[in-house]
Amino acid sequence: DTEVTQTPKHLVMGMTNKKSLKCEQHMGHRAMYWYKQKAKKPPELMFVYSYEKLSINESVPSRFSPECPNSSLLNLHLHALQPEDSALYLCASSLVSQGNIQYFGAGTRLSVL
Amino acid sequence: QQQVKQSPQSLIVQKGGIPIINCAYENTAFDYFPWYQQFPGKGPALLIAIRPDVSEKKEGRFTISFNKSAKQFSLHIMDSQPGDSATYFCAAESGVSARQLTFGSGTQLTVLP
Repeated sequence: DTEVTQTPKHLVMGMTNKKSLKCEQHMGHRAMYWYKQKAKKPPELMFVYSYEKLSINESVPSRFSPECPNSSLLNLHLHALQPEDSALYLCASSLVSQGNIQYFGAGTRLSVL
Repeated sequence: QQQVKQSPQSLIVQKGGIPIINCAYENTAFDYFPWYQQFPGKGPALLIAIRPDVSEKKEGRFTISFNKSAKQFSLHIMDSQPGDSATYFCAAESGVSARQLTFGSGTQLTVLP
């Protein structure tokens, strides 16, 4: 099983809402990632968790709050987002070493109104 | 600062043609170079990858050529098919305790029947 499952697939939220994106994998991967992808652009790294600890935060605004409750789950909590935050949010996972594939989920398409 | 430069931005070939996508990097800390394929509405999926101590790698119809001294690498798709129509991203990976992918800007490939 090489699947990374993201829910929901689509999300529409207002600027005052609080919502969460979820990501799950059962491949035994100890590195998990959040990316943001705008249309016709490459994925941009937001956060990296390694062994359930936040290892990289690419200067992401605090209205995005990641959480890794265990080695299989990754959440992204959203609060007070702006319309420019509308994008495809991708989760990925991998083993923690050189040359290991990052497996991506299908993403959550987020629209902020 | 764009650390991985990718060209061309778009590419149209006839079925059976050999599209070539080129990438260049500057950061010598990169130690793994994957290519990802992304279809609309899907997350990126690993296509093929290469380590910098190898000059060429073939997997099926896909070949990576790697020139370490020039800091350049390219993807060739042999006998291209309409089903290969997708966006292709080169990437470069680095990091010790937390692996980090840096993507190129992407190439939208169209293979005409």
